[in-house]
Amino acid sequence: DTAVSQTPKYLVTQMGNDKSIKCEQNLGHDTMYWYKQDSKKFLKIMFSYNNKELIINETVPNRFSPKSPDKAHLNLHINSLELGDSAVYFCASSHRTGGGGAQYFGPGTRLLVL
Amino acid sequence: GIQVEQSPPDLILQEGANSTLRCNFSDSVNNLQWFHQNPWGQLINLFYIPSGTKQNGRLSATTVATERYSLLYISSSQTTDSGVYFCAVEPLDFGNEKLTFGTGTRLTIIP
Repeated sequence: DTAVSQTPKYLVTQMGNDKSIKCEQNLGHDTMYWYKQDSKKFLKIMFSYNNKELIINETVPNRFSPKSPDKAHLNLHINSLELGDSAVYFCASSHRTGGGGAQYFGPGTRLLVL
Repeated sequence: GIQVEQSPPDLILQEGANSTLRCNFSDSVNNLQWFHQNPWGQLINLFYIPSGTKQNGRLSATTVATERYSLLYISSSQTTDSGVYFCAVEPLDFGNEKLTFGTGTRLTIIP
């Protein structure tokens, strides 16, 4: 029944490790996003995919690599984790056809790098 | 890039009070959304409102696109309204639905 889901909800790991976050939406949307929310609650877009095609790629270290196997899934892989990567990562989706659309967010993945 | 300013940054109210949150943006937009982030961190889409007025229960929103601002009204506040309210906009000349978020208004409703 969940519209946008993410796994895992919490991720605690050591510096230097590699980790992945998965996102799935069952809303039938054609566009998915990754956002990062820092400790001051500021939300910034990282990536966006439309129909499995990367359309937004903000200035993000290339240790971050998104992948969209199909329209309903968007994953984020992070290599060589650093302390500064600690944040909450949100997945979102929208229906883009016909212009902008309302974005719906997943519950977030709280990443803590030690 | 486009600038998004929200005011006030913090607001503390008694249960039952009404409030108005403001969002100013520096450029023309074709997409404006209001979100509520509850104390558990969940982001809920309240309104998709690039122009005009919408109402949903005790909440309503108005966007005056020509004057580059939007207002979110909350009437008869309840403790469950507590959290951070974000305004997010997409510039008119950017077609890739890149939303820029404001810094938010933190609302605390006291019983």
